[in-house]
Amino acid sequence: GAVVSQHPSRVICKSGTSVKIECRSLDFQATTMFWYRQFPKQSLMLMATSNEGSKATYEQGVEKDKFLINHASLTLSTLTVTSAHPEDSSFYICSATDRSIYEQYFGPGTRLTVT
Amino acid sequence: AQSVTQLGSHVSVSEGALVLLRCNYSSSVPPYLFWYVQYPNQGLQLLLKYTTGATLVKGINGFEAEFKKSETSFHLTKPSAHMSDAAEYFCAVRRTGGGNKLTFGTGTQLKVEL
Repeated sequence: GAVVSQHPSRVICKSGTSVKIECRSLDFQATTMFWYRQFPKQSLMLMATSNEGSKATYEQGVEKDKFLINHASLTLSTLTVTSAHPEDSSFYICSATDRSIYEQYFGPGTRLTVT
Repeated sequence: AQSVTQLGSHVSVSEGALVLLRCNYSSSVPPYLFWYVQYPNQGLQLLLKYTTGATLVKGINGFEAEFKKSETSFHLTKPSAHMSDAAEYFCAVRRTGGGNKLTFGTGTQLKVEL
């Protein structure tokens, strides 16, 4: 199956700083990428959908100025958590898909801890 | 709008016993349904999916699921549980409107005991 990577796998940052998470599709071109947030023992919450070359579409309640998403190429999307605070600590997972397929391929996730 | 309900947030079985994880969906259109597995601190791995055609779907690791339209269900089963099956399982339905967005259930934690 298709492979999606995320980098870094875990990151610790200080409150007030920004952190960038990369999501790459390694062996296919992802016209659409999704960003999810997962709290401990909970399901995935879709944060935003990004299509290559266009602005991301954010789900209701997600601050677009706080969670900046860029999908500059068919294989790379980035999520930048700006001015991070401890409540932003979470597990962030990306997934990628293409118009020709019916499923999403998930990355391994990034554990963000804000101190 | 589509929705998914997973009955039982925790299921415990003995090694070698039948695994049954329940998923019911709500959809105004013929659904595309998925089961994913998540191991601790990892992303999601697709176990199996139903789009069209045969209603009994076989997946990886010996899992299978049956789409039952009359019951709006897509329960996941495995005849004989293995210790390595202990994980979190998510049922999901593809949202209408295109774009392959998914709506996930709340997940079921499977515990396998000796």
